[in-house]
Amino acid sequence: DADVTQTPRNRITKTGKRIMLECSQTKGHDRMYWYRQDPGLGLRLIYYSFDVKDINKGEISDGYSVSRQAQAKFSLSLESAIPNQTALYFCATSDLEGNTGELFFGEGSRLTVL
Amino acid sequence: GEDVEQSLFLSVREGDSSVINCTYTDSSSTYLYWYKQEPGAGLQLLTYIFSNMDMKQDQRLTVLLNKKDKHLSLRIADTQTGDSAIYFCAESPNSGNTPLVFGKGTRLSVIA
Repeated sequence: DADVTQTPRNRITKTGKRIMLECSQTKGHDRMYWYRQDPGLGLRLIYYSFDVKDINKGEISDGYSVSRQAQAKFSLSLESAIPNQTALYFCATSDLEGNTGELFFGEGSRLTVL
Repeated sequence: GEDVEQSLFLSVREGDSSVINCTYTDSSSTYLYWYKQEPGAGLQLLTYIFSNMDMKQDQRLTVLLNKKDKHLSLRIADTQTGDSAIYFCAESPNSGNTPLVFGKGTRLSVIA
């Protein structure tokens, strides 16, 4: 089983709909992140959370919200989806203590907004 | 703010060496990373280098770090078709106290 699991893996929706992307991890990491990938733009940070009570905006948080329901769960919501939110979304985790600060990524959630 | 720059495309012949270059901005980055993204998959850490090192070698991979110029490179020796992927450079700003900042990714195409 994957250590970082994203659901759904693919979603097609219409403009104005509310969408939630969910992320769960079994790595026991404190830090969780949501990134968005667009061709030619690389990975851009949407929101991040360093522990359950901590939520921080990233580079492109407008139009998105997040919820850290537990150490293992971090969900991303689009309250009213618009076509330019069509992208590949990645959840990632990292460990607070020691090591290299490496991020561990989920497999991605591809969202299409029509 | 922090910025990581890398070229978008690189094409090499199978068996040749590939060199992917990256420049970063935060001199306090403790670690610098190379991630690999294969088609349809998430990113996976390929290798990293600690900021007090100049070079790190791991089998076919060689990472060179020039801290003065804030330049990082990844060399893949004897490039294979399985190396075709997008390679992302990333820095860890503020000594790792803020999230990683990624470059736009370099798409490596290996021609058989």
